[in-house]
Amino acid sequence: NAGVTQTPKFQVLKTGQSMTLQCAQDMNHNSMYWYRQDPGMGLRLIYYSASEGTTDKGEVPNGYNVSRLNKREFSLRLESAAPSQTSVYFCASTRQGLEAFFGQGTRLTVV
Amino acid sequence: GDSVTQMEGPVTLSEEAFLTINCTYTATGYPSLFWYVQYPGEGLQLLLKATKADDKGSNKGFEATYRKETTSFHLEKGSVQVSDSAVYFCALSDLGAGNMLTFGGGTRLMVKP
Repeated sequence: NAGVTQTPKFQVLKTGQSMTLQCAQDMNHNSMYWYRQDPGMGLRLIYYSASEGTTDKGEVPNGYNVSRLNKREFSLRLESAAPSQTSVYFCASTRQGLEAFFGQGTRLTVV
Repeated sequence: GDSVTQMEGPVTLSEEAFLTINCTYTATGYPSLFWYVQYPGEGLQLLLKATKADDKGSNKGFEATYRKETTSFHLEKGSVQVSDSAVYFCALSDLGAGNMLTFGGGTRLMVKP
């Protein structure tokens, strides 16, 4: 009953460093999403993937890249981290038109 | 494009008070509507859903009715508990927009004993 698994749970980066956030789901869902949540704010969509092999930009894609490696995995990469990317990142997956399942989040701090 | 608007928080209530959190939406297609709850330090989890007009979703004493005529999906609970303190998100999934999820800004609820 793993659902959506995100790694790592916490990360501290220096400005300019790169890293990849990993996300995997075991529910055979087609759609996967990456969101960021800033203090006092709602969720903002970074990228999404409607199916394996496709990715699309969301509301705040600048500074990020994604890879839909296969149906299970959807990774988010920060090529050159900036303090403005300090946030909590959530991965989610859905079946068509049904509810989303979320990971526990990655708390990222860029210093 | 699609959008979801929720009442801003925080909402502070005493235990056993009645709760309403307003949510309205705009959508190009025929959306499914959801309420998610986020407890401190955790991810979002589904609270309830409704997939067509006039459906009522319910769970853990919370209810919301899909009102197409007013494009609303207000969350209600008759008697809140301290354990209901959390952030609540209204969301929609629109078939006309490729089933992409759209979230409202979230409403923080604080329940005092």
